[in-house]
Amino acid sequence: EAGVTQFPSHSVIEKGQTVTLRCDPISGHDNLYWYRRVMGKEIKFLLHFVKESKQDESGMPNNRFLAERTGGTYSTLKVQPAELEDSGVYFCASSQVGRYSPLHFGNGTRLTVT
Amino acid sequence: GQNIDQPTEMTATEGAIVQINCTYQTSGFNGLFWYQQHAGEAPTFLSYNVLDGLEEKGRFSSFLSRSKGYSYLLLKELQMKDSASYLCAYSNAGNMLTFGGGTRLMVKP
Repeated sequence: EAGVTQFPSHSVIEKGQTVTLRCDPISGHDNLYWYRRVMGKEIKFLLHFVKESKQDESGMPNNRFLAERTGGTYSTLKVQPAELEDSGVYFCASSQVGRYSPLHFGNGTRLTVT
Repeated sequence: GQNIDQPTEMTATEGAIVQINCTYQTSGFNGLFWYQQHAGEAPTFLSYNVLDGLEEKGRFSSFLSRSKGYSYLLLKELQMKDSASYLCAYSNAGNMLTFGGGTRLMVKP
């Protein structure tokens, strides 16, 4: 089966600009998650979709971040306007329904804000 | 602050055995997961423990003690390709994972 795919793999933008990251989960996975790893830190949870509904967005840093999952398939994460501290690797993961279903991660999008 | 800890770096020799420890503190614990991540790639699932004890999967085994908030990942017959970061993470309600900082394992010939 195809894995979780993320686009773009790298993005370099200037402070104040907008960037949209895309994630295509594994087909049939209702759960979709966004995580972020800032340089030198651990991977941190951002939010969780179940199908098209936001189940938990407690990890979203502030209102400059907007995630959507229209139709319950792919998801986008928009950062507007980007700040320097938003630089990092943004990972998307998906899983099947089930309490212990492992998360399958994409390769991530490396975002650099200059 | 961070409530899940694992060593930052470890070095081991090809063919040897290495144990990577992880300690955590949380309420509402659902399970403990281990992931492997090579540089620039996606974290890939290795194992999970829900109940106390040892789970064996080929060369990799993972152990959990819920009362002690402790887990370890055991890698046997180390190969050069095992050089990677190993991420410990616990899950709580909603399958949200909280990750440690990762242990960077270097396997030397």
